Amino acid sequence: KNQVEQSPQSLIILEGKNCTLQCNYTVSPFSNLRWYKQDTGRGPVSLTIMTFSENTKSNGRYTATLDADTKQSSLHITASQLSDSASYICVVTPRSTTSGTYKYIFGTGTRLKVLA
Amino acid sequence: GAVVSQHPSWVICKSGTSVKIECRSLDFQATTMFWYRQFPKQSLMLMATSNEGSKATYEQGVEKDKFLINHASLTLSTLTVTSAHPEDSSFYICSARKTSGHYNEQFFGPGTRLTVL
Repeated sequence: KNQVEQSPQSLIILEGKNCTLQCNYTVSPFSNLRWYKQDTGRGPVSLTIMTFSENTKSNGRYTATLDADTKQSSLHITASQLSDSASYICVVTPRSTTSGTYKYIFGTGTRLKVLA
Repeated sequence: GAVVSQHPSWVICKSGTSVKIECRSLDFQATTMFWYRQFPKQSLMLMATSNEGSKATYEQGVEKDKFLINHASLTLSTLTVTSAHPEDSSFYICSARKTSGHYNEQFFGPGTRLTVL
């Protein structure tokens, strides 16, 4: 069964500190892996996207890594800011065998709280 | 850019009434849109896939007669919650699929908070 698990479920850190969020998936074969940030009461916003052949992608203070062999990904946030407080969702897209499907498989999410 | 809007952003209705939520892709055409539901502290759950000019495909367990989807144009899909009940209260999010290079990216709307009294 295609699953995406994230850890930790929630995390509290002090402003300025770094943190790393984990994502493990069983989706195979997969096409690409995305990390999204979702503010409370808003839709998800894309942070990074990686294909199965890429192993790192950066977007400002966000750096995602991917190990396709172990089926693990991480999102590293550097020098956290109060505005980083949000849910972070790992999303995996299976390599579709039928055209037009392109369904996303969502992780359980990590709720990050950054304190002043 | 790839901007997706939803309207309304929030709605409160009485039990038994119907509510329509609109999802628009503002600067691109989307043959496929998706409707999700999200309960507090949970991740997004796909309800249905909406294809322009054809019937929507519903996920297992989602009542198609209760959640009516109409994808009448390449920039607009609507979700109508019919005979809403308090258990339908949730955060509804749509996304629109855009092909960009070799990616098929879903761009999400800001969501609609539905509260059924």
